[in-house]
Amino acid sequence: AQRVTQPEKLLSVFKGAPVELKCNYSYSGSPELFWYVQYSRQRLQLLLRHISRESIKGFTADLNKGETSFHLKKPFAQEEDSAMYYCALRVNSNSGYALNFGKGTSLLVTP
Amino acid sequence: EAQVTQNPRYLITVTGKKLTVTCSQNMNHEYMSWYRQDPGLGLRQIYYSMNVEVTDKGDVPEGYKVSRKEKRNFPLILESPSPNQTSLYFCASSLIGKETQYFGPGTRLLVL
Repeated sequence: AQRVTQPEKLLSVFKGAPVELKCNYSYSGSPELFWYVQYSRQRLQLLLRHISRESIKGFTADLNKGETSFHLKKPFAQEEDSAMYYCALRVNSNSGYALNFGKGTSLLVTP
Repeated sequence: EAQVTQNPRYLITVTGKKLTVTCSQNMNHEYMSWYRQDPGLGLRQIYYSMNVEVTDKGDVPEGYKVSRKEKRNFPLILESPSPNQTSLYFCASSLIGKETQYFGPGTRLLVL
């Protein structure tokens, strides 16, 4: 069952504009959420995780348990931010845990 | 250099011909995982492994097998590939408790 929803397949913004990539989740346990990014012709890599409450490359994401959301935000988008972004939820199982990814949002930042 | 490697990177095969995609990591990670990436469906987990001899199904395990005989290797086996398994496959690894997954470069598989 899809537990992570990224409602936008494609998001296009102008350079310097604010950007918000939406992520909603459904999970009965205590959620652990992540954002991964895949730049063109590169491997997926972790962007940030909610536990560390960090800002990476100007991006932040706050876990809102009331709205079951983990939206990724950046106040001023740059062209190099153009990439595929995946929200992921850690799902505990009897044998350990799995990572459930959303379908991804392609961000295009145009000059 | 710390990395996850996959082989082959590209593979064209025919329906029913068994194949194995290897995955190896040199970071002493306990956790390893396989994903497939399809347009419009994002990344879906196939199988994962918490450690040697400990594997479990992800969201889309049908048609796949895995084994974890050594900590560094986690091969993905397609006993009888079918065209619907045409996809881009990623292997990933991480330390238990540190969910930063390191991804391999991907294997593009075409099943005719």
